[in-house]
Amino acid sequence: QSVLAQPPSASGTPGQRVTVSCSGSSSNIGSNTVNWYQQLPGTAPKLLIYSNNYRPSGVPDRFSGSKSGTSVSLAISGLQAEDEADYYCAAWDDSLNGWVFGAGTKLTVL
Amino acid sequence: EVQLVESGGGLVQPGRSLRLSCTGSGFTFGDYVISWVRQAPGKGLEWVGLIKSKAYGATTDYAASVKGRFSISRDDSKNIAYLQMSSLKTEDTAVYYCTIPLRPGFSSGPFDSWGQGTLVTVSS
Repeated sequence: QSVLAQPPSASGTPGQRVTVSCSGSSSNIGSNTVNWYQQLPGTAPKLLIYSNNYRPSGVPDRFSGSKSGTSVSLAISGLQAEDEADYYCAAWDDSLNGWVFGAGTKLTVL
Repeated sequence: EVQLVESGGGLVQPGRSLRLSCTGSGFTFGDYVISWVRQAPGKGLEWVGLIKSKAYGATTDYAASVKGRFSISRDDSKNIAYLQMSSLKTEDTAVYYCTIPLRPGFSSGPFDSWGQGTLVTVSS
């Protein structure tokens, strides 16, 4: 059971806008920033969004993040076939004194 | 270019020990927190632990699932961090990644650069 809750799957057609949710508690998302990672099959994770809504250099502006209370969302607009991957949210947990991840959301581009 | 390379994985029997290495290049190794994250086959990501830079006492933190069994150390003269795993269990079977944050200093996140991972299989 992951500390951060994510839907196991999401899907969309090319060009569509898709959102992935992640909910936590006051000890993690409620008091710390959230990062999102994209993992393509057979590869290491890649930092996609950090500090709730910042994109590292090289990440397209089709990807955006938002936060409200103890929940965050990742939005992908103009969905492309190459976006098919697993997406993980992560945050520091003050109670556990460590990083916690969501279980991941598998995004399928139909 | 930042590069992290893990090594030392393999097949090990339950109850035995194994040491993984993470070799860094392309950055000032000693200035960064080094974290280990693992991924069991077909499962999600799980943070294992971290070691801060010597400037912050090279202190360590561990996930509850590995505390008391795993330890992390670093040799900045060689640009290597180690994950010493003991009393291994079958549930420790995973790909182990080392990762560093976006910026040097106190913070351990976000995890920006990752190695390619090394597979540890715990089985009799």
